[in-house]
Amino acid sequence: GQNIDQPTEMTATEGAIVQINCTYQTSGFNGLFWYQQHAGEAPTFLSYNVLDGLEEKGRFSSFLSRSKGYSYLLLKELQMKDSASYLCAVRDLLTGGGNKLTFGTGTQLKVEL
Amino acid sequence: GAVVSQHPSWVICKSGTSVKIECRSLDFQATTMFWYRQFPKQSLMLMATSNEGSKATYEQGVEKDKFLINHASLTLSTLTVTSAHPEDSSFYICSARAAIGETQYFGPGTRLLVL
Repeated sequence: GQNIDQPTEMTATEGAIVQINCTYQTSGFNGLFWYQQHAGEAPTFLSYNVLDGLEEKGRFSSFLSRSKGYSYLLLKELQMKDSASYLCAVRDLLTGGGNKLTFGTGTQLKVEL
Repeated sequence: GAVVSQHPSWVICKSGTSVKIECRSLDFQATTMFWYRQFPKQSLMLMATSNEGSKATYEQGVEKDKFLINHASLTLSTLTVTSAHPEDSSFYICSARAAIGETQYFGPGTRLLVL
């Protein structure tokens, strides 16, 4: 099985930077995804990491360390609209034939003025 | 990113009726589609995985006779909740993927309320 841990809630200030951490345990790691989900809506894809290092995409960056089973999502220049749940998901080659993602419980980010 | 649609977006039905939810990939061919269920303030729970032309693979604890999944074409999968009960009320979300190793894209979700 897989264990995916991320903080339940975080609060940050508009214009600031926030880092959301995710740790995981898996046997056949084959990629880590970050999704954003606003209340009542479906998740939208943010980033994908399969190799160690930092992937930057505008205000969002995601980092992966496979040896540590660790990833983070970095959000810069926070805006009010960034208030949402951020889901960490891991794909495992050994689970479901390498077909499926397992999601963490999500981190609810609240951006305040 | 790729576009996945779901229909309907909202369903309210009486207990005992069946409800069909459609999931379509609009601009790519989805060899695999996934059905998730999400209860309030909880994460997505995978219900089943379906590959075009073959039977769906259900997760442990998900009744295949209650949640019928059909993936008849590379752009359409359907989930039918048979004899729905109030405890089936939830947010049902599908996602689609073109091939193994590629990103999953999610539909907008269907909110089901069973009275």
